[in-house]
This record gives sequence, C-alpha cells and structure tokens, in this order.
Amino acid sequence: NAGVTQTPKFQVLKTGQSMTLQCAQDMNHNSMYWYRQDPGMGLRLIYYSASEGTTDKGEVPNGYNVSRLNKREFSLRLESAAPSQTSVYFCASSAIRTAGELFFGEGSRLTVL
Amino acid sequence: DAKTTQPNSMESNEEEPVHLPCNHSTISGTDYIHWYRQLPSQGPEYVIHGLTSNVNNRMASLAIAEDRKSSTLILHRATLRDAAVYYCILSYLYNQGGKLIFGQGTELSVKP
Repeated sequence: NAGVTQTPKFQVLKTGQSMTLQCAQDMNHNSMYWYRQDPGMGLRLIYYSASEGTTDKGEVPNGYNVSRLNKREFSLRLESAAPSQTSVYFCASSAIRTAGELFFGEGSRLTVL
Repeated sequence: DAKTTQPNSMESNEEEPVHLPCNHSTISGTDYIHWYRQLPSQGPEYVIHGLTSNVNNRMASLAIAEDRKSSTLILHRATLRDAAVYYCILSYLYNQGGKLIFGQGTELSVKP
C-alpha cells in the first residue's frame, strides 16, 4: 500500500524553466492538496482539490497551476520557475467527510537557481 | 480565519508526559482542532483531532477546554522518536474539502 507518491523527489531548475510535480494516491480519497515548506517554516497551502474536477486556491497560489487529472492524480506545475519557489513541496490527500485526516507524501525538494 | 498560537519550542525528558498547549481564541463553532507532527525530513503525520470532547488514541490524548479557546496535546510517555514539530491546526471550510492551514508549530525536543 503506497499511500501518497510524489515524483520527482529532487529537482534542480534554472530560473524561467518549467516543470510539473506529480502526485498520486491509492487510497480512493476525494480531496488532494499541494503544500510548500520553506526552511524553518510551517507548511503553506498552494492549491487544493476538494473532489475530482474541482480545484481551488490556497494561501500562496501565485506562480503555480494545478490539474486534477483523475481521482488518483493531482499535479502541480511551475510555468516559469523563480528562486523564490525553492522549497520542499508536499502532496497530501484525505477522504472527504473524515474531519481532515491528511496523508502526506514524502516531499519533493525543488531548487531554482 | 481563526488562528492558533503555540510556543516555538519545548523540552521534555524521555518517559515523562508532555503537554503541548495551543490557543485558538477565535475558533468558530464548526472548526475541528487537529494535531499533526513532522519528524525531521519527513512529511507531516496525523496525530489526533477533536471538536468538543476530549479524545484519546494510541498516539496521544487531546484535551479541549470547555470554551474551546484552547487545547492541549498530551503525550503520555515521551520517547526519543517523539522529537518533532507539532502543529495545532483548525480546519476551515470543512464541508468543502477539509483543507488545513498550518501555523509555525512547536518544536519538541526529548532528552534521554
């Protein structure tokens, strides 16, 4: 039982390059989330998807786009990466109606030079 | 949005109980109180959550004040593995996906 799987685990980009972080969950959860965590900080919500076919902005959506490809997959795209987007990105999922128990992936460490 | 306030850091001795406080004076009647912890270099993991009554599970206990303006996460016997950052979070828009907004958390260190 893999839970929440994120790829890639590490990535180095140059300013202006684009990339997509992939996230997949095998728990049949309805809701999925993308967070970022900067050094020494708590997590900040970028985007979330309450159910398949819907996405909503979180606290820090600027510079990102998301796609809820199907119930299992939720991707995060950086169209033109900036050094300020250097961070660890976490994907999470939850079954709607379970008072928010989130299951997190292991994180994707992104460095933008 | 209701916010939480936690001490930046706390220390504990191994095998002793730990009480981690959280203030949430602007909590609304429908906000759940969640606790997550994050071990070094890992994603956060769920610890416990509650609404009004005290809650117990295999990891911890959650004591919620009668007025719900504060809560305490209780680790009954701290182990070295419990050293982590503990986040107290209120759930917003529960019926729209249960998104959670994390604060700064409390960094717990456990001394042998």
